[in-house]
Amino acid sequence: GENVEQHPSTLSVQEGDSAVIKCTYSDSASNYFPWYKQELGKRPQLIIDIRSNVGEKKDQRIAVTLNKTAKHFSLHITETQPEDSAVYFCAARAEGGYSTLTFGKGTMLLVSP
Amino acid sequence: DAGVTQSPTHLIKTRGQQVTLRCSPKSGHDTVSWYQQALGQGPQFIFQYYEEEERQRGNFPDRFSGHQFPNYSSELNVNALLLGDSALYLCASSFRSADEQFFGPGTRLTVL
Repeated sequence: GENVEQHPSTLSVQEGDSAVIKCTYSDSASNYFPWYKQELGKRPQLIIDIRSNVGEKKDQRIAVTLNKTAKHFSLHITETQPEDSAVYFCAARAEGGYSTLTFGKGTMLLVSP
Repeated sequence: DAGVTQSPTHLIKTRGQQVTLRCSPKSGHDTVSWYQQALGQGPQFIFQYYEEEERQRGNFPDRFSGHQFPNYSSELNVNALLLGDSALYLCASSFRSADEQFFGPGTRLTVL
């Protein structure tokens, strides 16, 4: 089955800096890659996603890149703010996988004022 | 328009007991997936229900079972609880096999 590795496990940045979180996946048939943000005690919320026919997608301060050949994808957050502090999860869904997701172990992002 | 809801919020059980968790999907959604999230880990897929049938299952023992009702709501049942079953149980809904899943707030289960 699919295996998703996520790095780093924790990331501390100063407000205004950029943050990058990287994930690799094992199943070359995976074709959908969402990123979720989970604040303490709250539900995971989808912040951005990318499909395998696209190499990059941006939404304001957030961007995701996908390298299908290398089987890795990354989340980029620019101009970080304290409210960006949370745990971020990457995930992958295999083609024909009925929308079930395999998640990475998460990255705790701490943005200091 | 209500999002995904789950009940109860918290639950404390002892080893060997049985538990039932409930989920109502987002309006317009017909597919419900259940995930287990242990502390400090990412969610792990348990199973998915569509048209009242279990459509796909992750690597979880038969102690974990579920049900989907005609109104698309779903239950997760866990029998013979173990200490290791302590986790946040998340329900996610989607429409058919659509990519995007919406998560509920979860049920925090503690097994003593």
